[in-house]
Amino acid sequence: EPEVTQTPSHQVTQMGQEVILRCVPISNHLYFYWYRQILGQKVEFLVSFYNNEISEKSEIFDDQFSVERPDGSNFTLKIRSTKLEDSAMYFCASSEVAGVTQYFGPGTRLLVL
Amino acid sequence: GESVGLHLPTLSVQEGDNSIINCAYSNSASDYFIWYKQESGKGPQFIIDIRSNMDKRQGQRVTVLLNKTVKHLSLQIAATQPGDSAVYFCAETRPGGSNYKLTFGKGTLLTVNP
Repeated sequence: EPEVTQTPSHQVTQMGQEVILRCVPISNHLYFYWYRQILGQKVEFLVSFYNNEISEKSEIFDDQFSVERPDGSNFTLKIRSTKLEDSAMYFCASSEVAGVTQYFGPGTRLLVL
Repeated sequence: GESVGLHLPTLSVQEGDNSIINCAYSNSASDYFIWYKQESGKGPQFIIDIRSNMDKRQGQRVTVLLNKTVKHLSLQIAATQPGDSAVYFCAETRPGGSNYKLTFGKGTLLTVNP
């Protein structure tokens, strides 16, 4: 069964460093998303991406964040200068079209020291 | 404000019992709802969905009920098994503002006792 994959599974970084989280969405899906989940809290929307541009972003997704689809399979989330409060699980998701089920990857656990 | 939330943060049941997890939403314009299961250290896993033009939808051992009058959603799990132990989230999408993002509730921790 097709699934969303994410790398790395864990990332430890120093405050102020740049990190890139990678995702491979399900191959025939057209919509891509990033969510995050701070430990013990609910899943929060960060950004949605379609047709090589951002469809919507949340207040969390400030200028330190960017997304890119560098090739036909990968979808990345970059945090330019990490802060302690960026520590969280980051989930990538994809869907065939908008407004239908989004399928989530296993997540990347980011720890900023 | 507009939100999706859960009535109970934890639910403990005996193996073989039926489980009911509840969710309230505040935006009457919400038109699509999804239940996700999240096991420890993993991503949300799709369980079942329902659109606002339906009242009930059944899957394998799971049923989702939607009461638009009181803006309430529930997930029923029949013959609950230890493998069902997880956090369950309801999520919604809304037309108009965005069809692109899911808004999640806080989650209910289901514990199944053998």
